[in-house]
Amino acid sequence: GAGVSQSPSNKVTEKGKDVELRCDPISGHTALYWYRQRLGQGLEFLIYFQGNSAPDKSGLPSDRFSAERTGESVSTLTIQRTQQEDSAVYLCASSLGVEQPQHFGDGTRLSIL
Amino acid sequence: AQSVTQPDIHITVSEGASLELRCNYSYGATPYLFWYVQSPGQGLQLLLKYFSGDTLVQGIKGFEAEFKRSQSSFNLRKPSVHWSDAAEYFCAVGVRGYQKVTFGTGTKLQVIP
Repeated sequence: GAGVSQSPSNKVTEKGKDVELRCDPISGHTALYWYRQRLGQGLEFLIYFQGNSAPDKSGLPSDRFSAERTGESVSTLTIQRTQQEDSAVYLCASSLGVEQPQHFGDGTRLSIL
Repeated sequence: AQSVTQPDIHITVSEGASLELRCNYSYGATPYLFWYVQSPGQGLQLLLKYFSGDTLVQGIKGFEAEFKRSQSSFNLRKPSVHWSDAAEYFCAVGVRGYQKVTFGTGTKLQVIP
């Protein structure tokens, strides 16, 4: 596709369940980023990938959060044993590389009941 | 520590009035800077970027921003605001040679008739 695609657009799940969020970056973009945006707040950096490697995982809030990227393309963000504080919009972005602008998807709105 | 500050959480302007959104950063090295806009329920869209050269940069939708190294600022301006400009605006700063970008907490713009 022409832009960054995220799925699902909305996810409602019960506390304690695992969820998997998907991001399809723009073709050819080597860098991929995940952010969390809580209601009414700014962007919280989670992790970024350069190719399939994640040089900076410093933003992952806990060991319940993990992410992977394969084929220098699709990335999945997994949250295990979800908690209510995980409720947020999760944004994915991709870019051509260092110092290049990021292109954002529309996000996945995650609600934990 | 590196930081980005958007001191105004919420700004209200009349349609047709001028606009200036403030962004200050604290970085030890030469930065590169962006402004993004986010409409409700959507991801972020790039308005403009600064890497080097002319410190006054033009962006889309009639926006411009000026990099002032002496003031560590990168304020966003528009001469005449339109109702469709109502959105949230994010300043973002990165360090040359590094991939990670830090976002400000955002300024929500309300436009009144």
